[in-house]
Amino acid sequence: ETGVTQTPRHLVMGMTNKKSLKCEQHLGHNAMYWYKQSAKKPLELMFVYNFKEQTENNSVPSRFSPECPNSSHLFLHLHTLQPEDSALYLCASSLASGPSYNEQFFGPGTRLTVL
Amino acid sequence: GDSVTQMEGPVTLSEEACLTINCTYTATGYPSLFWYVQYPGEGLQLLLKATKADDKGSNKGFEATYRKETTSFHLEKGSVQVSDSAVYFCALSDRDNNNDMRFGAGTRLTVKP
Repeated sequence: ETGVTQTPRHLVMGMTNKKSLKCEQHLGHNAMYWYKQSAKKPLELMFVYNFKEQTENNSVPSRFSPECPNSSHLFLHLHTLQPEDSALYLCASSLASGPSYNEQFFGPGTRLTVL
Repeated sequence: GDSVTQMEGPVTLSEEACLTINCTYTATGYPSLFWYVQYPGEGLQLLLKATKADDKGSNKGFEATYRKETTSFHLEKGSVQVSDSAVYFCALSDRDNNNDMRFGAGTRLTVKP
C-alpha cells in the first residue's frame, strides 16, 4: 500500500452505535489530520496531530474522539452521532504542521451515513 | 479570520473550451495559495500552488497567478478535456494561522465530449 489509506470506505450507522474510522499513511510523515467534507460546504478541519500529539481541536463535539497511537495511524472514534454528522471524512498527512508549510496528502475518505 | 471564496458550480463545458474558476481570499498575513482537485471517489490532490505575490502556479495545463492587489487566485485552462471533470478547491495556508489549510466550498466541473 502506498500513500494514505482509509477504512472503511463506506459506513452506515445508527445514532446509538459506536464505530471507528481508520487512517494509515505510508509516507513517513509526522503530522496527520481529520477533515469533514459536507455537501456544498467548505472542508472543515477537525483535528491535527503532530508527532502523535494533538495540536488542534477545532471545537469538534465530544461524540468524535480521535486517537493517534503512532505517526502512521490515526483513528476517529464515533459514538451517539446525529444525522447531520453524515459526511465524507477525509484523512490527510504531511511532513509536519506548523510555521513551515508542508503539502498535505489526502486519503480517499470514508463516506459516513448516520440513520 | 482567513477565508476563501470560489465561484459556485456546477460548471459544464464542452471539450476544448476555456476554463476559468474564480477564487478570492481574505487573510491577515501573507498566505500561500493552492488549487486542489478531487476526482470521483478519491481524496484531494494538490494541483498547483503559489507562495508569494505575482507567482504563477502551473500543472497539467492549468495555471493560476497570485494577485495580491485583487486578493485573487483564479484557475485557468485553455482547453479542457473530459478527464478534467472533477471538483476543484481553492485553498490558502497562512503562517500566521499555524499554516492550517482553509478551503473554498469547491466547484464541480463537468466536461462533455
